[in-house]
Amino acid sequence: GAVVSQHPSRVICKSGTSVKIECRSLDFQATTMFWYRQFPKQSLMLMATSNEGSKATYEQGVEKDKFLINHASLTLSTLTVTSAHPEDSSFYICSARAPVGLGEQYFGPGTRLTVT
Amino acid sequence: AQKVTQAQTEISVVEKEDVTLDCVYETRDTTYYLFWYKQPPSGELVFLIRRNSFDEQNEISGRYSWNFQKSTSSFNFTITASQVVDSAVYFCALSEDNAGNMLTFGGGTRLMVKP
Repeated sequence: GAVVSQHPSRVICKSGTSVKIECRSLDFQATTMFWYRQFPKQSLMLMATSNEGSKATYEQGVEKDKFLINHASLTLSTLTVTSAHPEDSSFYICSARAPVGLGEQYFGPGTRLTVT
Repeated sequence: AQKVTQAQTEISVVEKEDVTLDCVYETRDTTYYLFWYKQPPSGELVFLIRRNSFDEQNEISGRYSWNFQKSTSSFNFTITASQVVDSAVYFCALSEDNAGNMLTFGGGTRLMVKP
């Protein structure tokens, strides 16, 4: 099946700094990628839809200036958490939509962000 | 607006028992797609199944089976002869487009299979 990677898998940063998370589709081109956030023992909440070559579409309540998304190529989308605060600590998961076939989303392994 | 409800937050069974995870959904669309994903402790979501609203035929894949009933807006997932490796959080999800965009996830059910 399609493989999606994320880097880093874990990151600890200090409050006020920015952190970049990468999402890559390894064996297929993804014109659309998605970013989710998951708090402990909770479900996934869609943050934004990332489209290659255009601006991301953010869900209601998600600050676009705080969570910067760049989808510069067909295999890479990045999420930058700017001026991170402890409440931004969470599990961030990206997914890429399969280009053909069933159209399901393939998920990355997730990035656990801890802001101290 | 669409909504997915997984009423069981946690289920604990002993190995070899059968277990059914419930999923109830709400949508105004006549065409929609239902999914099940598995999230093991490692965190990565694993796709299990996709079903469109026009296909109510039940599906079986090894020890896994799914029961889709539009009349009750349910898409339940049964694991037969559960194994310890089945321990994970299982999410039911709904999408209103064929491309798998705009997935709405249920709250998830944590399944613990004890030896």
